Amino acid sequence: EVQLLESGGGLVQPGGSLRLSCAASGFTFSTFAVSWVRQAPGKGLEWVSTISDSDDSTYYADSVKGRFTISGDNSKSTLYLQMHSLRAEDTAVYYCAKSRAVASSGMDVWGQGTTVTVSS
Amino acid sequence: DIQMTQSPSFVSASVGDRVTITCRASQGISSWLVWYQQKPGKAPKLLIYAASSLQSGVPSRFSGSGSGTDFTFTISSLQPEDFATYYCQQSDSFPLTFGGGTKVEIK
Repeated sequence: EVQLLESGGGLVQPGGSLRLSCAASGFTFSTFAVSWVRQAPGKGLEWVSTISDSDDSTYYADSVKGRFTISGDNSKSTLYLQMHSLRAEDTAVYYCAKSRAVASSGMDVWGQGTTVTVSS
Repeated sequence: DIQMTQSPSFVSASVGDRVTITCRASQGISSWLVWYQQKPGKAPKLLIYAASSLQSGVPSRFSGSGSGTDFTFTISSLQPEDFATYYCQQSDSFPLTFGGGTKVEIK
């Protein structure tokens, strides 16, 4: 079964750091683009970042550029999101998601989400 | 950045009704348009990709159409399990962007 399992969320103070992990199983991790998408409480979906399968290119939303870093460890089939300088507006459920074989055809497998709360 | 404008933001409908949601892109995106369903407390689920292709395992009462800037998502006969929030997303270019969502509620 194709699965994604996020971990690493929690409560962090403004200005703090956190690293999210997303463990993949049931598919060859290195052959699909994978992304982070977040959802603030009561709000819609917001794309955060994507790492390409083909050349490890990385892409970021302007709201997180320079503060967040996406990376992947193919040997562990795990995706990461390192988050620094966290702000209250980063509070959200963070989902990792795998792209379909054609990366521009949407995200077909999602994790259950991990909650990040930025508050003093 | 490509802005996605989804309407309506709320639909009240009955079981058996036909429901239509529209999504407009601020610039042409060919057919690079995706539709998701999200239920409370759950992750989104991919329903339609490439504007009109049905994801494997998704019931045929769901359909999508359109290209360029204007897209439509239709549920032909609303079922009890379809009450949820639906989002469009452009997959043409980064940054990926979502519509604001349409909540489908029971009348």
